[in-house]
Amino acid sequence: EAGVVQSPRYKIIEKKQPVAFWCNPISGHNTLYWYRQNLGQGPELLIRYENEEAVDDSQLPKDRFSAERLKGVDSTLKIQPAELGDSAVYLCASSLEWWHLPNSTYTQYFGPGTRLTVL
Amino acid sequence: GDSVTQMEGPVTLSEEAFLTINCTYTATGYPSLFWYVQYPGEGLQLLLKATKADDKGSNKGFEATYRKETTSFHLEKGSVQVSDSAVYFCALSDNYQLIWGAGTKLIIKP
Repeated sequence: EAGVVQSPRYKIIEKKQPVAFWCNPISGHNTLYWYRQNLGQGPELLIRYENEEAVDDSQLPKDRFSAERLKGVDSTLKIQPAELGDSAVYLCASSLEWWHLPNSTYTQYFGPGTRLTVL
Repeated sequence: GDSVTQMEGPVTLSEEAFLTINCTYTATGYPSLFWYVQYPGEGLQLLLKATKADDKGSNKGFEATYRKETTSFHLEKGSVQVSDSAVYFCALSDNYQLIWGAGTKLIIKP
């Protein structure tokens, strides 16, 4: 079974430029997450999708960040314009959850990430 | 709120040494507990998990037991290898959200 796929793996841009990251989750997984991970830290959740609906985007800086998950499968995360402080690794994860059932394990599977450098 | 505390690193061991990385948690409910590993330049890989008290998760020679009485989920391995060098993250699930420890860098010397 293929894992979570992300592209590109690396991206270098100048500040104020736009950038986009793409994620293809594990087949059949209904929940998709975008995280940001700064060097030496754990991941920080940006947004969570259940199917095509963004159910938690409270940590997403909406002035410059946007995301979409059309058709409830692939997802794109965009930054426009990028700032120096956006340099980080952007991780996508997916899981199969049955939210209405009490025994969901909330096991998330991560992609390799996109390392963004803003100059 | 819920939280996870891991032992600070880096932890440096010689090859074939015994490994313990401590992880304790605070939670109001009954979370699932996870260990993830991140090799240099790579994403997070699920190493093992436990979903209820007294469960033992194991994978690749690593083990951790969900101890509700001590609110702990310590990671152990009997004989580490150079290839185990990585950053290890302990996490718990608070509903859908993962609460992460700060990570422990493990360095194994030949």
